[in-house]
Amino acid sequence: GAGVSQSPSNKVTEKGKDVELRCDPISGHTALYWYRQSLGQGLEFLIYFQGNSAPDKSGLPSDRFSAERTGGSVSTLTIQRTQQEDSAVYLCASSLESLNEQFFGPGTRLTVL
Amino acid sequence: DAKTTQPNSMESNEEEPVHLPCNHSTISGTDYIHWYRQLPSQGPEYVIHGLTSNVNNRMASLAIAEDRKSSTLILHRATLRDAAVYYCIQEATDSNYQLIWGAGTKLIIKP
Repeated sequence: GAGVSQSPSNKVTEKGKDVELRCDPISGHTALYWYRQSLGQGLEFLIYFQGNSAPDKSGLPSDRFSAERTGGSVSTLTIQRTQQEDSAVYLCASSLESLNEQFFGPGTRLTVL
Repeated sequence: DAKTTQPNSMESNEEEPVHLPCNHSTISGTDYIHWYRQLPSQGPEYVIHGLTSNVNNRMASLAIAEDRKSSTLILHRATLRDAAVYYCIQEATDSNYQLIWGAGTKLIIKP
């Protein structure tokens, strides 16, 4: 079956521009996570969605970052007024429920010039 | 901050067993230990998880110490395709869904 997909796979943008990153989770998975991974580092939690509950945004590094999940399925991570330190791989994962095995997408590599 | 400590890197020969250690000295009684691995240029993939008893699946075995302050991921017969970064993750006790990721162990397999 289809796994988690993310688009675009690569995004190069100029400092100050806004970007949108998309995640299509596995159908039926109620939990969706966004992570950020800088080169050679582990994953940094950003935000978590579980069903219809209010998302946990505690990992978002600044108010330039926001995310939404429409209809309990597709999610979009938006970064406004991008900065060079936002350059990283952004990973999305989904799971049947919280704490179950997380299935990861291939990530979006964001480069801010 | 990550709640687990792992060696930065390890080397092993192909077709030999590999034992990847992890310390999680602050673990509480209900925290699971999860292992994921990340192949180059890919998203992480689940390997195994456990609570108290040793666990086995088609990919690996997980041996958890009796005091639960450490665990070992065992690859019984490493192949070149097992070369990856292996992450040992302790659940966050103050959150029932967050996995706090450390830097992991880079496993190098020598042919």
